[in-house]
Amino acid sequence: GIQVEQSPPDLILQEGANSTLRCNFSDSVNNLQWFHQNPWGQLINLFYIPSGTKQNGRLSATTVATERYSLLYISSSQTTDSGVYFCAVDSMDSNYQLIWGAGTKLIIKP
Amino acid sequence: EAGVAQSPRYKIIEKRQSVAFWCNPISGHATLYWYQQILGQGPKLLIQFQNNGVVDDSQLPKDRFSAERLKGVDSTLKIQPAKLEDSAVYLCASSPKLSTGMSFEETQYFGPGTRLLVL
Repeated sequence: GIQVEQSPPDLILQEGANSTLRCNFSDSVNNLQWFHQNPWGQLINLFYIPSGTKQNGRLSATTVATERYSLLYISSSQTTDSGVYFCAVDSMDSNYQLIWGAGTKLIIKP
Repeated sequence: EAGVAQSPRYKIIEKRQSVAFWCNPISGHATLYWYQQILGQGPKLLIQFQNNGVVDDSQLPKDRFSAERLKGVDSTLKIQPAKLEDSAVYLCASSPKLSTGMSFEETQYFGPGTRLLVL
């Protein structure tokens, strides 16, 4: 089945720094989503982005479907950005169920 | 707009006991999901409902887990009997189907989860 790999697994940054999180997937996808899970466990959808580029405030995401990767950019990090960032994809191969990566754990220090 | 509601937020039980979780999705969302998230991992889908019908329950351990969504709105997930390895966070999510031209954007909205500890 389709494989999803995220990197780096852990990232520690100072407040104000920029970061790039990567998601590689092994096959063509129908859907790709980025989620943020805060330290209290709440999962929030950030982007629905099977291709192209989207921006929402300090966050932006780019998916290059032909090369099977997606990038999540966080600019001017704040402590509230801490948590785990998940990439999840679905495809015909997965019967359109979301397949999740292992996540990138981000810690923003004040 | 109210979010996805789940209860209880925490539950501690002993192995071989039974437990039930409740989820109320966002109003008007046809699709409801139950996920299991073990510490340090991404969520794993247990079951997906479309209205009150099951779309996918291939990863639901049916010998001990059951779920229902009788009126196509709220849902319950039950574990009977519980095992130590069932200790996890149980997440409920719902989604609409949003048409964007030729494709459907099926963003999932998650509840706060129920943290289960089996001793």
